Amino acid sequence: EPEVTQTPSHQVTQMGQEVILRCVPISNHLYFYWYRQILGQKVEFLVSFYNNEISEKSEIFDDQFSVERPDGSNFTLKIRSTKLEDSAMYFCASSAKTGRTEAFFGQGTRLTVV
Amino acid sequence: LAKTTQPISMDSYEGQEVNITCSHNNIATNDYITWYQQFPSQGPRFIIQGYKTKVTNEVASLFIPADRKSSTLSLPRVSLSDTAVYYCLVANTSGTYKYIFGTGTRLKVLA
Repeated sequence: EPEVTQTPSHQVTQMGQEVILRCVPISNHLYFYWYRQILGQKVEFLVSFYNNEISEKSEIFDDQFSVERPDGSNFTLKIRSTKLEDSAMYFCASSAKTGRTEAFFGQGTRLTVV
Repeated sequence: LAKTTQPISMDSYEGQEVNITCSHNNIATNDYITWYQQFPSQGPRFIIQGYKTKVTNEVASLFIPADRKSSTLSLPRVSLSDTAVYYCLVANTSGTYKYIFGTGTRLKVLA
């Protein structure tokens, strides 16, 4: 079964440092997403990406965040200057289409900001 | 996007059928209903999707009444490994570039 892969599985960083979370979506998918989940809370939408541009973003996705698809396979989330409250699981997802079809989620990257 | 309401938690015993109901009173004509399952420290996983009446796959059944203002996920003969959080999502087929998760239903299956 095809799967979304994320690296690293766990990242510890100091407050104020930049981090890049990486994802390899399923190869024939066109829509890509980042979500986060703070421990014990619900899965929160951050951003969606289609045709090499952001389609939609939430209020969480402020100027500290950026996304990029640097080549044909990777999809990255960059946090420029991490804060303690950025500590969470970050999930990448991809789908062939929006809405009507299932989104496939990766196993997540646990980001710990100290 | 239609708001969804689900019970916060449910307990069941192994071998029982579990029904989790989701309310989505403001569902629009183009909206589909999708259910995801999430185990601790894992990403959500698609279970089933439907538009109306009944949909069944190897994992679950989804019942949607004619007015589509609610839906029920049915898990037959649950086992301990079905302990997870179950999310009901409503998304339309066009112009939606996100899947919005609610608080979900935390199902605990007891031996």
